[in-house]
Amino acid sequence: GEDVEQSLFLSVREGDSSVINCTYTDSSSTYLYWYKQEPGAGLQLLTYIFSNMDMKQDQRLTVLLNKKDKHLSLRIADTQTGDSAIYFCAEGTGGFKTIFGAGTRLFVKA
Amino acid sequence: ETGVTQTPRHLVMGMTNKKSLKCEQHLGHNAMYWYKQSAKKPLELMFVYNFKEQTENNSVPSRFSPECPNSSHLFLHLHTLQPEDSALYLCASSPGTSGGQETQYFGPGTRLLVL
Repeated sequence: GEDVEQSLFLSVREGDSSVINCTYTDSSSTYLYWYKQEPGAGLQLLTYIFSNMDMKQDQRLTVLLNKKDKHLSLRIADTQTGDSAIYFCAEGTGGFKTIFGAGTRLFVKA
Repeated sequence: ETGVTQTPRHLVMGMTNKKSLKCEQHLGHNAMYWYKQSAKKPLELMFVYNFKEQTENNSVPSRFSPECPNSSHLFLHLHTLQPEDSALYLCASSPGTSGGQETQYFGPGTRLLVL
């Protein structure tokens, strides 16, 4: 069945790069998403990548997609304390259905 | 902050109460969603409406009753809930017109506690 998996925790020092990884199962996914959730808030769309792309860069964010291995990653350069949050990977399987991972909690140490 | 607003932000209710959650989107979208987010569980899709018509109901118990009077507003009516229904309820919207994958935009959520 459709599934999205990601590690639960990541801890980095302020100023370092963070890399959050995700694997998905549906090879027909058209869009892959990264959402950010801060405490007490909803999910904020950070970025997304079309399935026919390998990489997308948006300021400090770099998304890499390995479609063969069904692997998606989010790299945050120069991580700041304000980046501490839960990051959700999600795959769009068409239409109104989006499958979310359980989220990776990023801790940024000052 | 966001084009999707939800009220109330926090709600405490007894198991015999009736309450409603409200969602409003200001993005000109036509599709709206209700999700349930519980601790240590993936996001659960509950309902989807497109152009006011319900297109998805993921086996949600009847104590949750959605209402979509127009494309900008979505309600979730709650009655005789159980303590395990305590969770963050998130509303989202998407264009609803693309015919392809719908990118969803979320509201801040309503934190519900059922006593």
